[in-house]
Amino acid sequence: DTGVSQDPRHKITKRGQNVTFRCDPISEHNRLYWYRQTLGQGPEFLTYFQNEAQLEKSRLLSDRFSAERPKGSFSTLEIQRTEQGDSAMYLCASSLSPRSTQETQYFGPGTRLLVL
Amino acid sequence: EDQVTQSPEALRLQEGESSSLNCSYTVSGLRGLFWYRQDPGKGPEFLFTLYSAGEEKEKERLKATLTKKESFLHITAPKPEDSATYLCAVQAPGNQFYFGTGTSLTVIP
Repeated sequence: DTGVSQDPRHKITKRGQNVTFRCDPISEHNRLYWYRQTLGQGPEFLTYFQNEAQLEKSRLLSDRFSAERPKGSFSTLEIQRTEQGDSAMYLCASSLSPRSTQETQYFGPGTRLLVL
Repeated sequence: EDQVTQSPEALRLQEGESSSLNCSYTVSGLRGLFWYRQDPGKGPEFLFTLYSAGEEKEKERLKATLTKKESFLHITAPKPEDSATYLCAVQAPGNQFYFGTGTSLTVIP
């Protein structure tokens, strides 16, 4: 399968614990995005990378969230001191930075987080 | 503020009953409008990208159109397997992508 993959698919944790999610983008894609989606809502932008550089972060992203993309390949999203409000589906998407303005994101299956 | 609004929130159709979903947006300098399909518990699946007013794209029973303020996703003679949530997203000049809350489509056999 050459699509976007995410690991784990499901995570249950206790409030206050740290969690880390991984995303492997489509191999030739240089942009990688993280989103959060809660039930009945559309995906909400968190942050994105072009190669290894983190270019933008949502102002909604608290200091407990950090993302990395070492060497411009896979990315990790860490949530420290989880809270019940962090329970959501965390989606990763990748795209190829175009020469023109055209860009399409392809999504992974998501990681569903439940904070007890 | 950039905004994407989808309507209706939910739609129930009989198999074969054609209809349209709407996505209106207020983004200035639109770089692209995207339609995705999302099944429960899964990530969004890409359907179409539209870049300029007047553009149309088709795939099987689906057809997407774009004007300066809105996009429509037309579903012709839907089948039960078309049941899903359909998401619309826009790409703003700053490269952020904004999603609507989706239309939940149910096609009854």
